[in-house]
Amino acid sequence: QKEVEQNSGPLSVPEGAIASLNCTYSDRGSQSFFWYRQYSGKSPELIMSIYSNGDKEDGRFTAQLNKASQYVSLLIRDSQPSDSATYLCAVGSNNAGNMLTFGGGTRLMVKP
Amino acid sequence: NAGVTQTPKFQVLKTGQSMTLQCAQDMNHNSMYWYRQDPGMGLRLIYYSASEGTTDKGEVPNGYNVSRLNKREFSLRLESAAPSQTSVYFCASRKTVNTEAFFGQGTRLTVV
Repeated sequence: QKEVEQNSGPLSVPEGAIASLNCTYSDRGSQSFFWYRQYSGKSPELIMSIYSNGDKEDGRFTAQLNKASQYVSLLIRDSQPSDSATYLCAVGSNNAGNMLTFGGGTRLMVKP
Repeated sequence: NAGVTQTPKFQVLKTGQSMTLQCAQDMNHNSMYWYRQDPGMGLRLIYYSASEGTTDKGEVPNGYNVSRLNKREFSLRLESAAPSQTSVYFCASRKTVNTEAFFGQGTRLTVV
């Protein structure tokens, strides 16, 4: 079982809607959580990082973390066609000697 | 600043050939990582180096070796390439255990 799980999608939302992306992880010692966006043929780029339980907002993006449920999510408000990409969840754990483990990614399609 | 630089960008190998993928970062980061990404999949960790002088196996280390040459450089070697190693390889680095990782532009490797 992969340590970081994401629904592969595709997740299709209309332009202007809220896109909700989810991620679960298995290592309870995980302490840092990241969301990356990857356009086709490009490198992953960081969108958000979150370290504490609760919500963290940055523009149209909100990351949510629930360590008790081992769950992290990303909400994208007012989705735009330019948000169409694959979103990767990454989890860092001090227990695992500074490993940074990625989920399989969720492909998001925002339709005009 | 160049960030994380990978060479080469593209490579075609014949089965059984060897090659080394190079990665260098100019951000004074302590940790460096090698990932592979297969079509429609997330990033799988091959090897990582938490700090200069240390290397550790990730999820899929078989068929690969690494060298942390100095704080800036982390190379990935394929001793005897196999078609199953056809993939896009990404190098990443980060400052400390709880900071975000930055990625190179990737190396697209085809083994025929």
